[in-house]
This record gives sequence, C-alpha cells and structure tokens, in this order.
Amino acid sequence: GAVVSQHPSRVICKSGTSVKIECRSLDFQATTMFWYRQFPKQSLMLMATSNEGSKATYEQGVEKDKFLINHASLTLSTLTVTSAHPEDSSFYICSAVSSGANTGELFFGEGSRLTVL
Amino acid sequence: SQQGEEDPQALSIQEGENATMNCSYKTSINNLQWYRQNSGRGLVHLILIRSNEREKHSGRLRVTLDTSKKSSSLLITASRAADTASYFCAMRSSGSARQLTFGSGTQLTVLP
Repeated sequence: GAVVSQHPSRVICKSGTSVKIECRSLDFQATTMFWYRQFPKQSLMLMATSNEGSKATYEQGVEKDKFLINHASLTLSTLTVTSAHPEDSSFYICSAVSSGANTGELFFGEGSRLTVL
Repeated sequence: SQQGEEDPQALSIQEGENATMNCSYKTSINNLQWYRQNSGRGLVHLILIRSNEREKHSGRLRVTLDTSKKSSSLLITASRAADTASYFCAMRSSGSARQLTFGSGTQLTVLP
C-alpha cells in the first residue's frame, strides 16, 4: 500500500517553543492531507484538512493561529505547533488521500508524539 | 466531526477465540472502514465496506454493515496474540470531503 512518512516520531520541547511536524506521501501524490490529534486511550480527532496550494480548513475549536498548516507541494504537509504548552502534548497523526484514487482509503503516517515540558 | 461509538471499550479473550467489536454512528455514510492501531503507532487500514454492501470478508476478518440501524461489526476469527491492538471504525459521510470521523475504539487483548 501507499506509504506516508511522518517526522519526527517523537519530540520533546520546552513550553513556549514552536515545533514543526512533517507529513510526506512517499510514493503517491496527495492533494489532500488530514491532521488528527489523539490523546492517550482516546480516539482520533480531526484537527484540519490540508489542501495543496490553498489554506487549510480547521475543525471547530482548533485554533488556526496556534496550529499552522502548510501544504506547499503534492507530497508534503507540515503542522507547526506554535508557542507550545503542556496541554498541547499529544499524539499527532497525519493521513493522506491519493490524488488518483477514489477508494476512500486513507493512508496514515506513524504519528508524532509531542511532549511539552 | 461527530464520532461513532464502539463497544465494548475493552475486550480480553484467549488465543483462538473470536472477537467481535461493534460500531454505531449517527449520520448517513458513504462507506465505513475499520482500522487497527498498535500502541503508540499509526493506523493500519483493515477493510472498507460501502453503504450498499451488507457483509465483507478479508482473511480472518468479517465486517457487517446495517445502514438501517447505523451500525457495523468487526469479527476477528481464531484470534492470535498478535491481534492485540486498538480497533477503530471510521465513517466517511455521504457527500462530504474525504475526511473520516472515528469511533471511540475498542482495545482488544488476546491472551496467549
């Protein structure tokens, strides 16, 4: 199946710093990528939909100025957590849809665990 | 985006037994998918069932869909210790973008 790579897989930062997480589709082009957040023992909550070449669409309650999303190419979307605080500590997972497919299947990255001290 | 509900929240069985997980949702769907997640890892797609399908098989997996009851079930037969993971249903709503909304998940533990 298609491969989606996330980097870094783990990051620890101090409160107030910004952290960038990359999501790459390695063997397919993705006009749309999705960013999810998952707290321990909970389900995935959609944060935003990232569209190549346009602004991301954020879900209700997600601060767009805090979670900056850039989708500058067909294979890369980035999520930047700005001025991170301990409550932002979570597991962030991206997923991508192949531009050429219409099966509805999403391909997920391995996730990035953010710990804010 | 509205989540689906899954039950049970946690399920512990012996190796060789069957495991059944249920998912209920609220809106009309285009399709429903099941994913598996090992602890601290990403999600792996297991199976997709379309709204006009009632049952689907893939290896030891069997999925049913009842759109009148807005529910789905995932059956894993002859379970193995390696099946231990969290299982999530995910719904793609009718007419929406390709985003998925996820169920609350079932933590399956298969004891050797």
